[in-house]
Order: sequence, then C-alpha cells, then structure tokens
Amino acid sequence: SQQGEEDPQALSIQEGENATMNCSYKTSINNLQWYRQNSGRGLVHLILIRSNEREKHSGRLRVTLDTSKKSSSLLITASRAADTASYFCATDAEDSNYQLIWGAGTKLIIKP
Amino acid sequence: EAEVAQSPRYKITEKSQAVAFWCDPISGHATLYWYRQILGQGPELLVQFQDESVVDDSQLPKDRFSAERLKGVDSTLKIQPAELGDSAMYLCASSSAGNNQPQHFGDGTRLSIL
Repeated sequence: SQQGEEDPQALSIQEGENATMNCSYKTSINNLQWYRQNSGRGLVHLILIRSNEREKHSGRLRVTLDTSKKSSSLLITASRAADTASYFCATDAEDSNYQLIWGAGTKLIIKP
Repeated sequence: EAEVAQSPRYKITEKSQAVAFWCDPISGHATLYWYRQILGQGPELLVQFQDESVVDDSQLPKDRFSAERLKGVDSTLKIQPAELGDSAMYLCASSSAGNNQPQHFGDGTRLSIL
C-alpha cells in the first residue's frame, strides 16, 4: 500500500529556478525521507527528517515537515540539469518494523 | 553511485520460465529489502530480511516467488514460473538495523517477460 502522495506528479522548470515538491501521508511517523531516482537507476537517499524536526537543510535541499497537517515539502534551490529525476517521499510509520511506505513520486525536468 | 550490488542489470525471458535475481548488500547491513517497481510508481516491498530471517513477506506472491538470505549476507529472489505481469524493475536495498536509518539501493534488475 502507498501512504505518501506527492504533488505535483510532474514538474518542468528552467535551470536556475527553484523546484518545490510536496508529500502528504496518512499515519503517525517516526521519520520522513526523500529519495531521488535517475531514469533506469536505483533510488538515492537525499535527506531524512525526524518527526520532532520541522526543517532540515542539505546543500541546495530544504525539507520541511508539518506533522499536524501530515505533510512535507522538498525545495531544490538554483536547479541544475543534473537535478532532472523522479523524487519520492517515504515514511517510516511508528508501527512499521522499519519499513518505508512510498509515494508515487514527482517527475522533475530541468530545462537548460 | 550505488554501493549495493545487483545482477543481472537486465533480464529478458519468456513467460513460464524461471528467473533469479541476486543482491549483495552493503557490508554489515543487517536489514535487506526486495522491492518491485512498476514504471511511474513508487517501490512496492516484496520481502524484508533481518539477518537471515524473513521479517515480512506479506506482499510476496508465494505461489511463484521465493527469496532467501541463507548466511545473512547476500540474497536471491526467484520467480517460477514468470508471468507477463511480472515485467518490472526489481530493486534491492539494505540498511543498518534500527530507527531512522536510510536505505541504500542497488541499480536494480529490469525484467521483461515476453
């Protein structure tokens, strides 16, 4: 079953612009994670935010978490062509035995 | 970029044939996951191992799929017989045990059933 829902499903922006993707989930969580997947490759872990954190930064990435709204956002600043990929959120639910429940992803295209 | 090793990268076979995938996780990672990913969707967990024991295989179609991790290190996922609907990407991931651990993925096996 898929808990996370990413929004939008697809996003196309010009290089240098900021990209924002959103994720909503349904149950209480231990943490929420964002992953990137280049076409035909495996997923790469980007950032993990714990349920007691509200914001986290890593390089050009900024993640926010609002547990009252059960939602998270991923902001990529100053986008580059190499950021073209699909981005997935995954939640580690409190009773999940360390399993991640995945959304369907946002397909991001950066136009040069 | 991937540190989890998977083979083969691509597999094309006919329906009703047997197919096997292999995964070697990051050294020391106790937890190993097999996922199936259909194009345009997120990964779907098939089976989770903790060392050599199955923690969860509730989504594994056990009439045709099997998975093992005999020595708690590398793992094999098998399908027999393969069906057209099995065409997908099969991904292996590993993580350290415990909460708040990221999963590390291999580059997967792209399976096409003719």
